[in-house]
Amino acid sequence: DGGITQSPKYLFRKEGQNVTLSCEQNLNHDAMYWYRQDPGQGLRLIYYSQIVNDFQKGDIAEGYSVSREKKESFPLTVTSAQKNPTAFYLCASSSPGTSGNNEQYFGPGTRLTVT
Amino acid sequence: GQNIDQPTEMTATEGAIVQINCTYQTSGFNGLFWYQQHAGEAPTFLSYNVLDGLEEKGRFSSFLSRSKGYSYLLLKELQMKDSASYLCAVRVLNNAGNMLTFGGGTRLMVKP
Repeated sequence: DGGITQSPKYLFRKEGQNVTLSCEQNLNHDAMYWYRQDPGQGLRLIYYSQIVNDFQKGDIAEGYSVSREKKESFPLTVTSAQKNPTAFYLCASSSPGTSGNNEQYFGPGTRLTVT
Repeated sequence: GQNIDQPTEMTATEGAIVQINCTYQTSGFNGLFWYQQHAGEAPTFLSYNVLDGLEEKGRFSSFLSRSKGYSYLLLKELQMKDSASYLCAVRVLNNAGNMLTFGGGTRLMVKP
């Protein structure tokens, strides 16, 4: 089955440690995205990538880093510089076109808790 | 930038109809999406509007007025499983391709 996977579903880390969240898709999508969601809030864009080996900062990129070495994979690293890392992290992918019903497909999310 | 507003919470009764509004201010509008998100889960696509008017899909319908910067999601014959958050998202034309900006979401509680 085609889809997006994120692992793990729950992740616990101590403050000061970097942590990497994985995101894999087999939908053959060129574009991938990382969002952060805080309780009762909408989604805020962290980073996005329209094509392999290229990525751009979103609205809240500070304290995060990404890589896009393969089309299928877009890992997100939450660094110790991120002041409030505890959140629900969602990865999404889509075709890059901007016409028509070109929805973003979401992974199941990773809930990160930093203490 | 874009500004998207939707009510924070709504309550409705099983079997009833509920309308969730979304207003937006943006330049380069290129479509509006509605997603459903159950607590702790991924958002799932519900509907898409790019032209003015109503799009109907079973119990769910979505309306768009581009001149007013306004959309609503209409849920009919409410079921308990419809209790979820509903996210309005706007796509704009820019160099970044298929980018979406999300509203804060409306948490809908369906009561028996």
